[in-house]
Amino acid sequence: AQSVTQLGSHVSVSEGALVLLRCNYSSSVPPYLFWYVQYPNQGLQLLLKYTTGATLVKGINGFEAEFKKSETSFHLTKPSAHMSDAAEYFCAVSNQAGTALIFGKGTTLSVSS
Amino acid sequence: DGGITQSPKYLFRKEGQNVTLSCEQNLNHDAMYWYRQDPGQGLRLIYYSQIVNDFQKGDIAEGYSVSREKKESFPLTVTSAQKNPTAFYLCASRLAGGQETQYFGPGTRLLVL
Repeated sequence: AQSVTQLGSHVSVSEGALVLLRCNYSSSVPPYLFWYVQYPNQGLQLLLKYTTGATLVKGINGFEAEFKKSETSFHLTKPSAHMSDAAEYFCAVSNQAGTALIFGKGTTLSVSS
Repeated sequence: DGGITQSPKYLFRKEGQNVTLSCEQNLNHDAMYWYRQDPGQGLRLIYYSQIVNDFQKGDIAEGYSVSREKKESFPLTVTSAQKNPTAFYLCASRLAGGQETQYFGPGTRLLVL
């Protein structure tokens, strides 16, 4: 069965520092992988997704993620954090039937000046 | 503008009362979803629907009911059988296909009086 593990429920970085949010998945079929961002009391917004093809995926707001099949990982990175990046981030994998997404428990990113 | 609307933004439920959360989309999406979000637990799937007049239970369907009489509408009823309904409820929709992006509404916060 498909599952997602996000390592670290809270990550704190300084403004200008590298952001690294970790996501590992389990899937019995080639996975479709997604990263979403959620600001307080709002819905989720897609940052980026991997379906097929190039394993390095670029998204909005300077974020990118690399699909590593051998490591079953899809970590999210951004070279330089900005205060506006403070939010909750969710990794998700499509279920085996392709009918729904399975979400990780989320990582809250804090950015200090 | 195309998008997903949820109403109301805040909803209060009294003991023993059923309440209905509205979700409407004008994106012409085939599939619609309801998630429940609690702090530290990520998003948990309540119900989803791939086509009109058909829906499937998610991981936490007990105490909830849905209908899908129109393609653009997918209301969720929180029944009195749901003993702990306080949460943030998110509706989403997407085109058919596991690689397709889910788009989210702004959410409804349900509180128990």
